[in-house]
Amino acid sequence: DIEMTQSPSFLSASVGERVTLSCKASQNINKYLDWYQQKLGKAPKLLIYNTNTLHTGIPSRFSGSGSGTDYALTIGSLQPEDVATYFCLQRDGWPTFGAGTKLELK
Amino acid sequence: QVQLKESGPGLVQPSETLSLTCTVSGFSLTSNSVHWVRQPPGKGLEWMGIIRSGGSTDYNSALKSRLSISRDTSKSQVFLKMNSLQAEDTAIYYCTRSGAWPRNWFAYWGQGTLVTVSS
Repeated sequence: DIEMTQSPSFLSASVGERVTLSCKASQNINKYLDWYQQKLGKAPKLLIYNTNTLHTGIPSRFSGSGSGTDYALTIGSLQPEDVATYFCLQRDGWPTFGAGTKLELK
Repeated sequence: QVQLKESGPGLVQPSETLSLTCTVSGFSLTSNSVHWVRQPPGKGLEWMGIIRSGGSTDYNSALKSRLSISRDTSKSQVFLKMNSLQAEDTAIYYCTRSGAWPRNWFAYWGQGTLVTVSS
């Protein structure tokens, strides 16, 4: 199985700050990488699929990048409503999720 | 409007079998895949398995011996059955829709149902 390692596990940032979350795969996943946002008590919500395609209705401050084994989610200007846990998911093999990055406001 | 809703018992005895139903609306099970994903309280997400539009299934290798996914297309329902439950199976169980690979991102999710394994 393909293992996904997210970093950092926890991140504290200020409103307006640019934030980057990382996800590393144990092998090349050919850009089949998605990002999900999960707020407390809610189901995950798709933000980005295929590394860099913004899902319908997702604000443009979210962007994705990467290739091979290394991927990133960037929030261009952090907003209070972005407080959540963020998971990456690879779909090149059987789907596997990263352990998540918990994002809080400083 | 695409919707998925999980239902089932909130409490299951250890060693018994879990049965969950995912009732969908706004799309056809014969045109989309449905997955089950679970999340132990306060922990990460685990993909459990898939039933594809054609009815074929695949399972997480860690759960394969205990897990079965089936469906009733006439009722727009997908079923999960997992036997020999233990405390570590306590989790929120989600069903989620995807297209066929490589368009198999999880755009739509149910609200999830909490299953507690305890005597």
